Amino acid sequence: NAGVTQTPKFQVLKTGQSMTLQCAQDMNHEYMSWYRQDPGMGLRLIHYSVGAGITDQGEVPNGYNVSRSTTEDFPLRLLLAAPSQTSVYFCASKRTSGREETQYFGPGTRLLVL
Amino acid sequence: TQLLEQSPQFLSIQEGENLTVYCNSSSVFSSLQWYRQEPGEGPVLLVTVVTGGEVKKLKRLTFQFGDARKDSSLHITAAQPGDTGLYLCAGPNSGGYQKVTFGIGTKLQVIP
Repeated sequence: NAGVTQTPKFQVLKTGQSMTLQCAQDMNHEYMSWYRQDPGMGLRLIHYSVGAGITDQGEVPNGYNVSRSTTEDFPLRLLLAAPSQTSVYFCASKRTSGREETQYFGPGTRLLVL
Repeated sequence: TQLLEQSPQFLSIQEGENLTVYCNSSSVFSSLQWYRQEPGEGPVLLVTVVTGGEVKKLKRLTFQFGDARKDSSLHITAAQPGDTGLYLCAGPNSGGYQKVTFGIGTKLQVIP
């Protein structure tokens, strides 16, 4: 299994540009999520999904859109990139049963918005 | 949002020393998880504690969940350079397991 994969690994955008961060998992997990990690702020939840066709907002959803058309894929879209969205983005997935379920993280996408 | 405070934020020790890092909250958590994150990579789950007072061991790492389920600690015995990394604690928000809160983390450096 490849686990959770993310593309691209690095990206530089100009303010106002749009882009999609890709995330895929091959473990048939129902739950997928997106986090951003900033110095001094820790990991903060952007959006999450408990299954295909179901998404919901996390702690910091503004400026980001998501959709979940398949179990495997959970892309994150930035429609109008802003410098405040410079961050490292992590996608994660897990099963939804029990309190001890393991959440698997991807390797991250490092985004710089100029 | 329930907050998780981790201390210390930074720790630099010599190989072979023991250390303890802490994860505290004013709120009760149904479970807490500890992750280790190495530079340039995503966090990797080390352990989940679910019962107040629970102690779990993973080789030289000992994890404890407070009796009131508001705090947790991670103790490393005889630290090794391979233990270097960012240690994060995390727990489900009161709103449900879908939303997970992370602490800022403790950055550990073990010097050979």
